[in-house]
Amino acid sequence: DAGITQSPRHKVTETGTPVTLRCHQTENHRYMYWYRQDPGHGLRLIHYSYGVKDTDKGEVSDGYSVSRSKTEDFLLTLESATSSQTSVYFCAIRSGSDVEQFFGPGTRLTVL
Amino acid sequence: QKEVEQNSGPLSVPEGAIASLNCTYSDRGSQSFFWYRQYSGKSPELIMFIYSNGDKEDGRFTAQLNKASQYVSLLIRDSQPSDSATYLCAVGTTDSWGKFQFGAGTQVVVTP
Repeated sequence: DAGITQSPRHKVTETGTPVTLRCHQTENHRYMYWYRQDPGHGLRLIHYSYGVKDTDKGEVSDGYSVSRSKTEDFLLTLESATSSQTSVYFCAIRSGSDVEQFFGPGTRLTVL
Repeated sequence: QKEVEQNSGPLSVPEGAIASLNCTYSDRGSQSFFWYRQYSGKSPELIMFIYSNGDKEDGRFTAQLNKASQYVSLLIRDSQPSDSATYLCAVGTTDSWGKFQFGAGTQVVVTP
């Protein structure tokens, strides 16, 4: 257990509404990642962070923003949700010394 | 565009047989390679990683890496119904942020 939680675990929202997903870790890992998973596409990186207030864009960052004001929390925000953002969102962590990534339980988001 | 390719399956394997999963990658500079198992509705779980050419064994799992051919494989010996899952291949990128590029996954179905 990598000590990662995600909230909410399930959410249904309407097009145009803002949505924030939270990733919380208890082991002080420096690196954190947000992915989305869609059928046929595997896991695609949205944003990542290598420390407090240090974040950068991944391959599918359009329509998403992130914030990391504390080591333990990495927030993913959809400013104005669209149906194309219906997906399963996973947070992952990596400790500084290891290369492996470990995943949280995921959030299933449906945008109607 | 850097890519990681996997056969989507499903790969049907009789119980007790060997399952062989393949993954090719396009970035010749990649140095780290990972296999994740993902049960339906669950998050990816790391089962193997390999950094050097050759074979690496862990219980019933063997990872094989051939950097010259840009090819990594996973063998599952004595396949069990509990091995039925989607297996994701991940390749570490060559930057310093520890990012991964994932294949779309191969579904394995072990039949009794």
